[in-house]
Amino acid sequence: GQNIDQPTEMTATEGAIVQINCTYQTSGFNGLFWYQQHAGEAPTFLSYNVLDGLEEKGRFSSFLSRSKGYSYLLLKELQMKDSASYLCAVRDRGSNYQLIWGAGTKLIIKP
Amino acid sequence: DVKVTQSSRYLVKRTGEKVFLECVQDMDHENMFWYRQDPGLGLRLIYFSYDVKMKEKGDIPEGYSVSREKKERFSLILESASTNQTSMYLCASSPGTSDLKTQYFGPGTRLLVL
Repeated sequence: GQNIDQPTEMTATEGAIVQINCTYQTSGFNGLFWYQQHAGEAPTFLSYNVLDGLEEKGRFSSFLSRSKGYSYLLLKELQMKDSASYLCAVRDRGSNYQLIWGAGTKLIIKP
Repeated sequence: DVKVTQSSRYLVKRTGEKVFLECVQDMDHENMFWYRQDPGLGLRLIYFSYDVKMKEKGDIPEGYSVSREKKERFSLILESASTNQTSMYLCASSPGTSDLKTQYFGPGTRLLVL
């Protein structure tokens, strides 16, 4: 079957680094996405990985290992505005239009 | 910038009412989606459409229908609202097969069914 797991909640300190993990099982992997969602708002796109390795974009980086069914989102120099939920989603080759979504990780940043 | 708008941010309806949720995108995207989002669960796909007048069932289509008469507009219909349809409803759009990287979301409609 298809399944995505990520921690429910994490807490980190302003200025620190945090890593949010995502593991997935899918029959035909075709890309992994990370989205950020502030409370009461729509998800916004952060990153996309389809090949193994690290993709860096400013303070945010995303890593993928297809053989391990594993990804992480790395947030550096944390700011209070990074308090949000982070959603991991995987596209399955069976349908190019559909994403399978994790339940999201709520990240709480403390001063 | 891509803009996806939804007709209402908050909606309160009574059990048995017919409910229409409207979504409009202004970037000529082929694909449009309706999700619901509930605490502790991931986004769950209700229906999607990859072209005008085309629709495909997602994971949880029961109790819902959709309409796509124009490319920019995708409507979600609750034929007879029930309390278990109280949820946040999110509409999204994405370009056609030339770029499958991202989905762009509307602000969401928080629906309460009494």
